[in-house]
Amino acid sequence: AQKITQTQPGMFVQEKEAVTLDCTYDTSDQSYGLFWYKQPSSGEMIFLIYQGSYDEQNATEGRYSLNFQKARKSANLVISASQLGDSAMYFCAMRAPPSGGSNYKLTFGKGTLLTVNP
Amino acid sequence: GAGVSQSPSNKVTEKGKDVELRCDPISGHTALYWYRQSLGQGLEFLIYFQGNSAPDKSGLPSDRFSAERTGGSVSTLTIQRTQQEDSAVYLCASSRDRTYEQYFGPGTRLTVT
Repeated sequence: AQKITQTQPGMFVQEKEAVTLDCTYDTSDQSYGLFWYKQPSSGEMIFLIYQGSYDEQNATEGRYSLNFQKARKSANLVISASQLGDSAMYFCAMRAPPSGGSNYKLTFGKGTLLTVNP
Repeated sequence: GAGVSQSPSNKVTEKGKDVELRCDPISGHTALYWYRQSLGQGLEFLIYFQGNSAPDKSGLPSDRFSAERTGGSVSTLTIQRTQQEDSAVYLCASSRDRTYEQYFGPGTRLTVT
């Protein structure tokens, strides 16, 4: 079974500064994918970034980067130059090959509430 | 292009009533997922559809929950004889294929009184 742990219930950052949101995972699978989603107060889950377990380079998407440390089983999200609009809940999720069938469901962490201060 | 849409956005129902929640996935996406988000349980997988294959219902919490997907597109999640513990946000997601990233709809907030 897969497990995602996000140890920071809440984080604060000053506008324009960088922030790191922690995520550790547990799986016995060799092939898996790691995702970060943003959920603003409106409720919609917005896909941010993806890292495959065999990817050698850390994933980057604009101001988002994923600090992937496979041996430590961590996949931290780094947001550079924080903006007020970054204030939201952030979820780390993992997708592993299904044990049967083709269901690549996501397993989510509990989330981190990020507040960006002006 | 259009994203995943869900309706209604909010639903208040009395305990014991049946409810239907609708999801319109992104056009061309073959995989469709339902998740439930509640304060106590976080985000939980409910059911998965892939093309015309039989759905994976392993996440449904009880036999009061069912879902169907017509024509490989629109999906309806039905909860019969609703209970207060069913109160949650129900999120639908679709992806181009089962191995691609999932895109979520805005969710339906269900409140059972």
